[in-house]
Amino acid sequence: QKEVEQDPGPLSVPEGAIVSLNCTYSNSAFQYFMWYRQYSRKGPELLMYTYSSGNKEDGRFTAQVDKSSKYISLFIRDSQPSDSATYLCAMRRNAGKSTFGDGTTLTVKP
Amino acid sequence: EPEVTQTPSHQVTQMGQEVILRCVPISNHLYFYWYRQILGQKVEFLVSFYNNEISEKSEIFDDQFSVERPDGSNFTLKIRSTKLEDSAMYFCASTTDRATYEQYFGPGTRLTVT
Repeated sequence: QKEVEQDPGPLSVPEGAIVSLNCTYSNSAFQYFMWYRQYSRKGPELLMYTYSSGNKEDGRFTAQVDKSSKYISLFIRDSQPSDSATYLCAMRRNAGKSTFGDGTTLTVKP
Repeated sequence: EPEVTQTPSHQVTQMGQEVILRCVPISNHLYFYWYRQILGQKVEFLVSFYNNEISEKSEIFDDQFSVERPDGSNFTLKIRSTKLEDSAMYFCASTTDRATYEQYFGPGTRLTVT
């Protein structure tokens, strides 16, 4: 079993749709949960960062962490064509390594 | 806004040659990392570095790899004898010493081994 499993996609939605991206994990020691956005052949860009369980909102983005279910989600409201990218979930225990999901490729069609 | 920078953006080398990938982490950060991403695959951890020593490394990071912080700003990854399978994007990342440990990535170096 992989430590981090991410919904594989690809995902294609019309502009304005609500997008839900999800990851599950098996390591209960993870405490820090991140979502990165990655454009083709570019570095991951940190979008959202959450410590432990709960919700965090930043503009059109909402990150949710449910540690009891070992499940995290990223919601994108009013999706735009510029949101088209690969979204990576990542997790870590402390200041050490991040463990990444495989990524979900999102296309938002005008 | 401060950012992690990496040079070169693209490196082409022949199998068996040594390469050095360079990174300048964000200036007040204290933890440094290298990751790699083979085309079409996930981002994989290679090594973390703190207080001038390796704090953790993956099984990928074998004797062919080394890291160094030669001065107060640069952080380098050396591959002594490159193999075809070393072809990948290599990302440097850095993190503060604060409790949040937010990790920021550089734009990457695309290494092509021929």
